[in-house]
Order: sequence, then structure tokens, then C-alpha cells
Amino acid sequence: DAKTTQPPSMDCAEGRAANLPCNHSTISGNEYVYWYRQIHSQGPQYIIHGLKNNETNEMASLIITEDRKSSTLILPHATLRDTAVYYCIVTRPQTGANNLFFGTGTRLTVIP
Amino acid sequence: DAGVIQSPRHEVTEMGQEVTLRCKPISGHDYLFWYRQTMMRGLELLIYFNNNVPIDDSGMPEDRFSAKMPNASFSTLKIQPSEPRDSAVYFCASSFQPGVYTEAFFGQGTRLTVV
Repeated sequence: DAKTTQPPSMDCAEGRAANLPCNHSTISGNEYVYWYRQIHSQGPQYIIHGLKNNETNEMASLIITEDRKSSTLILPHATLRDTAVYYCIVTRPQTGANNLFFGTGTRLTVIP
Repeated sequence: DAGVIQSPRHEVTEMGQEVTLRCKPISGHDYLFWYRQTMMRGLELLIYFNNNVPIDDSGMPEDRFSAKMPNASFSTLKIQPSEPRDSAVYFCASSFQPGVYTEAFFGQGTRLTVV
């Protein structure tokens, strides 16, 4: 069952920052926030994860609010190749991916 | 590493036929997962293995579905007999669990069409 709420779709101009929100108001203390994306006709791809601190890697930044009830995935300079469905997942980091519930995600369209 | 490799990429079969999907996980990974994706239900976990042993198959829809992992580098998902409602994209994923970090690597999927 879904523990997160995401907008179904968003547009972003190429070269601009894409900010994808996620609400997870029932998150518990030992649950992490994970983001995956799925480009058309491909398998899901891991992007980033975090517990309570903001995180950054070569793909994106993750901003988690202080109360941990929401987060934002930031793609700093969106390109056309970033067009995909983005999934926000809240779960405990146990065994592999067995507890990844993908939900419906946000379909991001990057516009030239 | 070439990543998770699935075969075939596309499969079209007639209702009632047996279908076998194959997966080669990333070398060194000790977890393997089978997912199914449809428009109606999204991505669903069917079964996962740890060190070649099935751990949780509660997502397998019915007895027509079976999965095996005879060794660390190969797994199969079999549907017998197949039905049109089994049409979906089937993904295999693998991961390595050194601690609290959870990242699953997915294959390109097998698009199954049962007519």
C-alpha cells in the first residue's frame, strides 16, 4: 500500500531545475526515502536515497523537510533524457529491493 | 559488468503454452527479484531469492507461475499454462546487501504478450 503521494505529472523546460515533490506524512523513524526513475521501455533506475539529511550525488539532490513528512527531488539542469516516471518510495532498508513499493509516480516531461 | 541481463526481450505466445523467462543477475549480487509491470497494477514484486533460495513468493499470482534459481548466475520465471491476462513486462533485478543500503539494479525487461 502506498505510503507516498506524488503529483501524476509535471513539465520542466530543458536546462532548468526540475523539482519533484513527494509527501510521506506517515513515515516512521527508521524509514528512508528512496527515489527511482523509469525511462520509457527500460527497467527502473536508482537515483538517490536519504534518511533525514539532505543528500546530493551526480544525478540529483534530495531535500527532506525537518519533520521528514515530505521531500523534494531536484534535477539541477534537466535534459530531454530525464523524461521519465519518477518514483518516491518510503521503506526500511532491509533486504535488497523486496520492500520497494513503486506506486504510480510522477511522469516528468522535459520540454525543449 | 553488463548489468542484469534478461531474455528474451520480447515474447509472443498463444494461450495455454508454456513460457520461460530468463535472468542473469550482476555477478556478486546475492539477491534476485522478479517484478511484473502492467498499466493497471504498476510494478509488483512477484518473488525474491537470497543466495539462490526463494525467500518470499507471496506476490506470485497463482500456481501457474513458478520461479527457480539453480545457481548464483541464473534464474527462470515460468508460466504454465499462459493466459492473456499474463501479458505484461517482467523485470528481473538484483542487489547486494552489505548493510543498510538498498539499491536494486533492474534488467531491461521481457515484454510478454499472450494471445
